[in-house]
Amino acid sequence: GAVVSQHPSRVICKSGTSVKIECRSLDFQATTMFWYRQFPKQSLMLMATSNEGSKATYEQGVEKDKFLINHASLTLSTLTVTSAHPEDSSFYICSASQGLDSPLHFGNGTRLTVT
Amino acid sequence: AQSVTQPDIHITVSEGASLELRCNYSYGATPYLFWYVQSPGQGLQLLLKYFSGDTLVQGIKGFEAEFKRSQSSFNLRKPSVHWSDAAEYFCAVGAGQAGTALIFGKGTTLSVSS
Repeated sequence: GAVVSQHPSRVICKSGTSVKIECRSLDFQATTMFWYRQFPKQSLMLMATSNEGSKATYEQGVEKDKFLINHASLTLSTLTVTSAHPEDSSFYICSASQGLDSPLHFGNGTRLTVT
Repeated sequence: AQSVTQPDIHITVSEGASLELRCNYSYGATPYLFWYVQSPGQGLQLLLKYFSGDTLVQGIKGFEAEFKRSQSSFNLRKPSVHWSDAAEYFCAVGAGQAGTALIFGKGTTLSVSS
């Protein structure tokens, strides 16, 4: 079945630094990938839609300059949290679809802790 | 507005007992419906999906769900719960197309008692 790989699974960084999270579709090409954020004991909130070869589409309230998304190839999207602050600490999950009438497949998520 | 409601935040079921997790949705078009399960600190695993056709869909791990258009519901069921089923369950709705994200409910935490 389709596999989405996310790396790293955990990262701890200091306040003010930047962190890059990678999302790869291992056995299929994904022109579109999605980035979600999940707070403890809460649901997944869509942050942005990553489009291969073009700019990402951000949801209302998500700072595009803080959460930089790059989708340089059909199998890789990256999310960079710039100038991280403790309130950015969260669980970030990416997802991708194989195509029409296919469900979204999710990575295993990245636990970001900003100290 | 599109939305998904999971009325039960937390449910405890005895091992071996039956389970039903509720999901109601609001969606302007014909919905594509999904149930995902999440173990602590993990990503989401797809349990089952409904796109069209038979309104009773079978999934992995013995789960099934029934789409009821008149009630805007997509409840998840399992006849006999195992301790390993304890996890967070999310219902989601979307357009089912490659370029469309999913809208998730807030989730239901399932605890299984022995």
